[in-house]
Amino acid sequence: GAGVSQTPSNKVTEKGKYVELRCDPISGHTALYWYRQSLGQGPEFLIYFQGTGAADDSGLPNDRFFAVRPEGSVSTLKIQRTERGDSAVYLCASSLLEGVEETQYFGPGTRLLVL
Amino acid sequence: GQQVMQIPQYQHVQEGEDFTTYCNSSTTLSNIQWYKQRPGGHPVFLIQLVKSGEVKKQKRLTFQFGEAKKNSSLHITATQTTDVGTYFCAGRPNFGNEKLTFGTGTRLTIIP
Repeated sequence: GAGVSQTPSNKVTEKGKYVELRCDPISGHTALYWYRQSLGQGPEFLIYFQGTGAADDSGLPNDRFFAVRPEGSVSTLKIQRTERGDSAVYLCASSLLEGVEETQYFGPGTRLLVL
Repeated sequence: GQQVMQIPQYQHVQEGEDFTTYCNSSTTLSNIQWYKQRPGGHPVFLIQLVKSGEVKKQKRLTFQFGEAKKNSSLHITATQTTDVGTYFCAGRPNFGNEKLTFGTGTRLTIIP
């Protein structure tokens, strides 16, 4: 009955390194979203999965960002060659799309700091 | 691309006063959602509005969706210290497109 969980809660890395951020959605939720939130801003859409496939990845800022959801549950957001500008809170949300009604449940986020 | 703006950016009110935040989209929306984010926390879903002119209430909170489906508002009556946080609207451009565009947010602080 747990909510959306994300690991790690905090990640400090050096410029140029590779990082992976993990999201465990609510069991049974078919839709999964990744957002990025900078200080004082609203969440910025990155990518949306319906099942295993990325239905919309138009928010990924460039090809250094990639996300997978191989079994339709857990998702991993991967960032290559990190830059200082990638520092932000990365939020994951899941939902059970039912017609036009939808509630997105957000995880606590991973706070990424690139030095 | 679609832009969603909110005003005001910040609002400080005395406890017991009312509070309103306004949300405006550059494009027509199929539906709009509202979220609350406490300091240091994550966004928590409050409500979704779908129909033109729709009004929904949750206790002291009243949500409206404009007739043209391009704007929305959240009004809180008689604010309490538990209302502190940032309120975001988030809109979808059309049905079948699940991408949510979040507004810039209104940060509410309460003076006891």
